[in-house]
Amino acid sequence: DAGVTQSPTHLIKTRGQQVTLRCSPKSGHDTVSWYQQALGQGPQFIFQYYEEEERQRGNFPDRFSGHQFPNYSSELNVNALLLGDSALYLCASSPGLAGVYEQYFGPGTRLTVT
Amino acid sequence: AQSVTQPDIHITVSEGASLELRCNYSYGATPYLFWYVQSPGQGLQLLLKYFSGDTLVQGIKGFEAEFKRSQSSFNLRKPSVHWSDAAEYFCAVGPNNNDMRFGAGTRLTVKP
Repeated sequence: DAGVTQSPTHLIKTRGQQVTLRCSPKSGHDTVSWYQQALGQGPQFIFQYYEEEERQRGNFPDRFSGHQFPNYSSELNVNALLLGDSALYLCASSPGLAGVYEQYFGPGTRLTVT
Repeated sequence: AQSVTQPDIHITVSEGASLELRCNYSYGATPYLFWYVQSPGQGLQLLLKYFSGDTLVQGIKGFEAEFKRSQSSFNLRKPSVHWSDAAEYFCAVGPNNNDMRFGAGTRLTVKP
């Protein structure tokens, strides 16, 4: 049983560009959450998707947007990249009703903005 | 303000010694509580979690944590540390079922 998978593993972008990160949830999970982990810090909650809609959002600007597909996979989009967006982006999945109590994390995508 | 505090940024212990990592939270009600471990360049691995019931929780790799409501704490312990335990440890709190707040982490170094 594959766990949570994310692609790509690493990514380098230039300021002002746009980026899309992808996540496939663990089998049987229908909820996907995204987190940003800056170097030396704990992860910060960006948003959560359930039934193809954003269910909850953390304190992130509108440049951060997402999407969930009918197969429960998800994308994180970041527009107008800033140097401060450089971070490890973690995806987590869970069964809808269990929420964070049954959340599994993927290995992350390392984004570097130059 | 709601927060999760890990007071120790970096801890060094000798292999075989006991370990306690501290975590305090500030939320209105008893939230979901978690401890995760992260090795360099890796994702997060769940060590243990708590929501209700017995306040002493057993986890993987020989770790345990104790919830103390009066102190708003959820400290992680291990009786004998192994060199492979060197990593970053994160305490996390779920104030509701749909999001999770992390502390800043404690980096553990294990001396031979």
